[in-house]
Amino acid sequence: GAGVSQSPSNKVTEKGKDVELRCDPISGHTALYWYRQSLGQGLEFLIYFQGNSAPDKSGLPSDRFSAERTGGSVSTLTIQRTQQEDSAVYLCASSTSGLNEQFFGPGTRLTVL
Amino acid sequence: DAKTTQPTSMDCAEGRAANLPCNHSTISGNEYVYWYRQIHSQGPQYIIHGLKNNETNEMASLIITEDRKSSTLILPHATLRDTAVYYCIVRASGAGSYQLTFGKGTKLSVIP
Repeated sequence: GAGVSQSPSNKVTEKGKDVELRCDPISGHTALYWYRQSLGQGLEFLIYFQGNSAPDKSGLPSDRFSAERTGGSVSTLTIQRTQQEDSAVYLCASSTSGLNEQFFGPGTRLTVL
Repeated sequence: DAKTTQPTSMDCAEGRAANLPCNHSTISGNEYVYWYRQIHSQGPQYIIHGLKNNETNEMASLIITEDRKSSTLILPHATLRDTAVYYCIVRASGAGSYQLTFGKGTKLSVIP
């Protein structure tokens, strides 16, 4: 079956611009996560959605970052006024619940010039 | 979550078993051991997880010591496609434990 998909696969933007990254989770998965991975580093948790519960936004690095999940399915991560330090691979994952194994998408590579 | 320690890198000959160790000496009773891997330029991939007993699936086997302070991931017949960074993660089972915290992992190179 279809896995987690993300778009775009690559995004190059200029400093100060806003960007939107999209994640389509596996159908039926109620939990959705956003992480980012800087070059040569491990994963950094950003945000977690579970069903209709309020999301856990504790990992968002600043108020320039926000995320939505519409209809319990597709999620959009928005970064406003991008900075060069935002350059990273942004990974989305989904799972059947918050405690089960997470299935990752291929990621979006964001480059801020 | 408990911290894990893994070797930085390992080599394995193609067709041989790859044994990847992980130390988690501060693991607590409700924490599971998870293994993920990340092939270059791809998202992480779940491999296996366990609590106390040894586990096996179509990808790998997980051997956890009796005191649970260390574990070994075994890829029984490594192929070139198994070249990746392998992450050992210790994760609790309770609420609020959904985050995956990846360290540096072990870079496994399968040699022809």
